[in-house]
Amino acid sequence: NAGVMQNPRHLVRRRGQEARLRCSPMKGHSHVYWYRQLPEEGLKFMVYLQKENIIDESGMPKERFSAEFPKEGPSILRIQQVVRGDSAAYFCASSMKITGTSGMNEQFFGPGTRLTVL
Amino acid sequence: AQTVTQSQPEMSVQEAETVTLSCTYDTSESDYYLFWYKQPPSRQMILVIRQEAYKQQNATENRFSVNFQKAAKSFSLKISDSQLGDAAMYFCAYRSARIAGGTSYGKLTFGQGTILTVHP
Repeated sequence: NAGVMQNPRHLVRRRGQEARLRCSPMKGHSHVYWYRQLPEEGLKFMVYLQKENIIDESGMPKERFSAEFPKEGPSILRIQQVVRGDSAAYFCASSMKITGTSGMNEQFFGPGTRLTVL
Repeated sequence: AQTVTQSQPEMSVQEAETVTLSCTYDTSESDYYLFWYKQPPSRQMILVIRQEAYKQQNATENRFSVNFQKAAKSFSLKISDSQLGDAAMYFCAYRSARIAGGTSYGKLTFGQGTILTVHP
């Protein structure tokens, strides 16, 4: 069973360009979380999605950032008009469901996408 | 909102010895989960150990154990018989157990991390 896949692993963009980060959850997982890790910091929650629905985007900047998780295909985190401050590692995590049972809630992380904005 | 604090930016330990990483958190909830994640230079996040707040018994996974003090809101990680492969950044994380009708939806709140160096 393949783990969480993220691509690209490294992405370089110039200021003003768009960045598209992809996340394929583990097989059977329908819950996806995106986190951002700025240099020398911990991971910060951005958005939580289920198939075709954004459930919680409280951690996402209001402008330039968007996320989707279509019925078919990977989840996409899209950053428009990137700025240097967007340079970070972006992690995706997936889980099977979010019941009260801890084992079923475990989030499995992908290897991350390191975005560098020149 | 919940917060997680790791007050030790860096720690070091000699191979085969024991080290304890500290973590405190702030929450008004009574039911939640706590985690320690390891992030080696590859940046892959690896779950080390988890603790359910309703369980009084401290979790243990081989050489890794926790000291969970619910009243003090403290959750430290002890690594015994340290190995070179333990060198990494370690993150403490909190997750609310309130899911249905709540506002957390299972998201993790992380501390700032502690860099652990293991000396041969």
